[in-house]
Amino acid sequence: GAVVSQHPSWVICKSGTSVKIECRSLDFQATTMFWYRQFPKQSLMLMATSNEGSKATYEQGVEKDKFLINHASLTLSTLTVTSAHPEDSSFYICSAREGYGYTFGSGTRLTVV
Amino acid sequence: RKEVEQDPGPFNVPEGATVAFNCTYSNSASQSFFWYRQDCRKEPKLLMSVYSSGNEDGRFTAQLNRASQYISLLIRDSKLSDSATYLCAVNGGGADGLTFGKGTHLIIQP
Repeated sequence: GAVVSQHPSWVICKSGTSVKIECRSLDFQATTMFWYRQFPKQSLMLMATSNEGSKATYEQGVEKDKFLINHASLTLSTLTVTSAHPEDSSFYICSAREGYGYTFGSGTRLTVV
Repeated sequence: RKEVEQDPGPFNVPEGATVAFNCTYSNSASQSFFWYRQDCRKEPKLLMSVYSSGNEDGRFTAQLNRASQYISLLIRDSKLSDSATYLCAVNGGGADGLTFGKGTHLIIQP
């Protein structure tokens, strides 16, 4: 089946620094990828939709200048959390649509200290 | 009103029992429906897509009721390994991402 590889699995960074998370579709081309965030005991919340070759679409309340998304190829989308703060600590997961279904990356647990 | 609602549980169920969860959604234009399983600190994994006519996969049965806007998941002969959080997810159509419920926590007890 379709595989989405996400890196890193976990990262600890200092407040004020930036962190980049990568998502790659390994055996299919993903023109669209989705980025979610999940806080403890909460649901996955869609942050943005990443479209290859065009600007990402952000959900209401998500700062586009803070969460930079780049989808420069059909197999790679990146999310950069800029000037991270402790409240950005969360579980970030990407997903790509392949056919009828959605395939998820393994997630990145970000801790900002 | 939240878009997708689930009873968070936890549901404590003895091994071998049958357990059912419901999930309600508010967007009547929703087109695709899924049940995902999420283990602690892991990504969600697709359990089943939910079709209008209902569908079964081994011990798992999913149903969709468009009129009442809910989907259900039935697990028969529950196993210890079924312990997890079950997330209901809905897609509004087209190239939209998924809207998830908060999940229902299931604990199967020996």
